[in-house]
Amino acid sequence: NAGVTQTPKFQVLKTGQSMTLQCAQDMNHNSMYWYRQDPGMGLRLIYYSASEGTTDKGEVPNGYNVSRLNKREFSLRLESAAPSQTSVYFCASSGRTFNSPLHFGNGTRLTVT
Amino acid sequence: KQEVTQIPAALSVPEGENLVLNCSFTDSAIYNLQWFRQDPGKGLTSLLLIQSSQREQTSGRLNASLDKSSGRSTLYIAASQPGDSATYLCLRRRATQGGSEKLVFGKGTKLTVNP
Repeated sequence: NAGVTQTPKFQVLKTGQSMTLQCAQDMNHNSMYWYRQDPGMGLRLIYYSASEGTTDKGEVPNGYNVSRLNKREFSLRLESAAPSQTSVYFCASSGRTFNSPLHFGNGTRLTVT
Repeated sequence: KQEVTQIPAALSVPEGENLVLNCSFTDSAIYNLQWFRQDPGKGLTSLLLIQSSQREQTSGRLNASLDKSSGRSTLYIAASQPGDSATYLCLRRRATQGGSEKLVFGKGTKLTVNP
């Protein structure tokens, strides 16, 4: 059972560089989410996708874009990385109903210098 | 006021003690309340999920309760062990007026169980 898989696990970028964080789930879940976790701030929702073909902004979407490529994959793109985007990024997925539990990936630790 | 509050932020107990972690939320109109543990440098592992229609859920030494009227959930850990040391987070999930959902995490309680 792979569950939710995130790549890469670690990444260092220079200010202004771009990159895409990948997320895939094998549980046939409809909903997928991107969170960032920062000390003292907790987990904050960046974007989510309730179903294939739809995406919505969360609490902190500025500086990010997402793509729900298909039902399995949900990617997060940083077009022009900034030091404020240094964080740990988590992807999560959930089943069809709002009563389904969230399952998390192991995270990507991103440093922007 | 934070929508989801976890107090205390940190807790240190001796091995074998029974303990309770608290999660308070401001809106009683919830779908469910989910508890996670997070080990340092790792992702979140789901422990228990309580639906809005339920009062409690149990898994091994863990018992989670939900009281919507008071806006409170508790995670009870029996006979704590050093391996229980981790940060415990609660997630409240509720509907929005537009028919979508809103998920809000507490900031967690860091638990240390001393041998």
